[in-house]
Formats: sequence, C-alpha cells, structure tokens
Amino acid sequence: GAVVSQHPSRVICKSGTSVKIECRSLDFQATTMFWYRQFPKQSLMLMATSNEGSKATYEQGVEKDKFLINHASLTLSTLTVTSAHPEDSSFYICSATLQGTWTDTQYFGPGTRLTVL
Amino acid sequence: DAKTTQPTSMDCAEGRAANLPCNHSTISGNEYVYWYRQIHSQGPQYIIHGLKNNETNEMASLIITEDRKSSTLILPHATLRDTAVYYCIVRVATDSSYKLIFGSGTRLLVRP
Repeated sequence: GAVVSQHPSRVICKSGTSVKIECRSLDFQATTMFWYRQFPKQSLMLMATSNEGSKATYEQGVEKDKFLINHASLTLSTLTVTSAHPEDSSFYICSATLQGTWTDTQYFGPGTRLTVL
Repeated sequence: DAKTTQPTSMDCAEGRAANLPCNHSTISGNEYVYWYRQIHSQGPQYIIHGLKNNETNEMASLIITEDRKSSTLILPHATLRDTAVYYCIVRVATDSSYKLIFGSGTRLLVRP
C-alpha cells in the first residue's frame, strides 16, 4: 500500500517550452501532495504544498507563475514548469500524505528527471 | 532550515548493525522525528517515525532519548542494499498541514 507514481520518469525538452509532470497516489486518497526539487549531490528542497481543491502554498523563493501546480483530485497533482530553461534541469519528486492517518506520513514518488537543452 | 544535524557519512560491515545518530536539540514537544532513505536517483523511502517512545518495524528501530534532543536509527543487520543516504527529519506544522525540511543526511556505505 501507499504507492505514489510519477509520469514521466524522464523528460528532455527545448528551452522555452513547458513541461507537465504528473503525480498520482495509486492506492490511497491524498488530501495533500508536496513537490520537491533536487539538484545533483544536494538534498531535497520543498517547493510547494498542494491541497486538493485549493491553491498551492509555495515556499519562499519559488516562483508560483513558473511552477504551476494543480491538485484537481484526491489522487492526482500536476506540476507544470513553464518556459523551462537549462537552470530548471533537476530531479523533481512528489509526495503524498496518506489521508486519515494520525501521523500524516508522506510517501514519495520515484521522481522525474528534467533536462532542458 | 532543517532542524536536524547528522554525520556526513558512515560505514559498516555487511551483517552488522548500523547505528545512525541524529541531533534535533530544538525539537518542539509535538513534533515527530521521521527517517527516510534515498538510493541514488530514486525517491525517498519511508523507514520509521516516532514522537517520544522507541519504535520498531520490519525495517529498523528508532531510539529517541528521553529529552528528545537526539535519536538513533538502527538497522539491525545491514545488507549491501542498505547503502543509501539516510535523512533524519523533524516534521514541522504549517497553517494547514505539515512539512518535511530535508537536511544533508548521512551517506551510509555498507561494506562486503
């Protein structure tokens, strides 16, 4: 149980294009999903918290107009990197909180590696 | 900023116990300690969490000091597949939820 998937696992795009990454909770409903970014040899950095049916809460320094987050259902959140540039190349990871548990454990997806040429 | 400090790296022999320490001296009374690990180019894997009591599951044991200022993750019989970066995290409350702030973690190398 508590499986989170991401699609695609890897994407290469040209500079200036937009890329959408999907995060799905496969066997549970997630009221809250989180998006992280990880650069090589660094730790995970929280980008935003996404609650189903409401606007995402972004961490300081993360541009909400560049990283669009939609959490339309209890099993799906999407991150769209708009007008991507080479500096946006990174490993993007989502997590989902298991609804109804008293400890709200986050379960992570396998990550999406974005390369912007 | 992360509320935890961990050694940058550790190693242990295969089959032996791996004891990973973590300091969280500024932890608040209602904040949980979580442990995750990350194998290269994968998403973090949940290991265990606790508030003040020691915890054990099929993967590991978590020992939390009485003052809650530090904890130790114990992998009782480390295998080569346990080689990973281990993150000790204090989960902090937000206005509507909780969030995990990752620190640098401990890179554990299990030697044959």
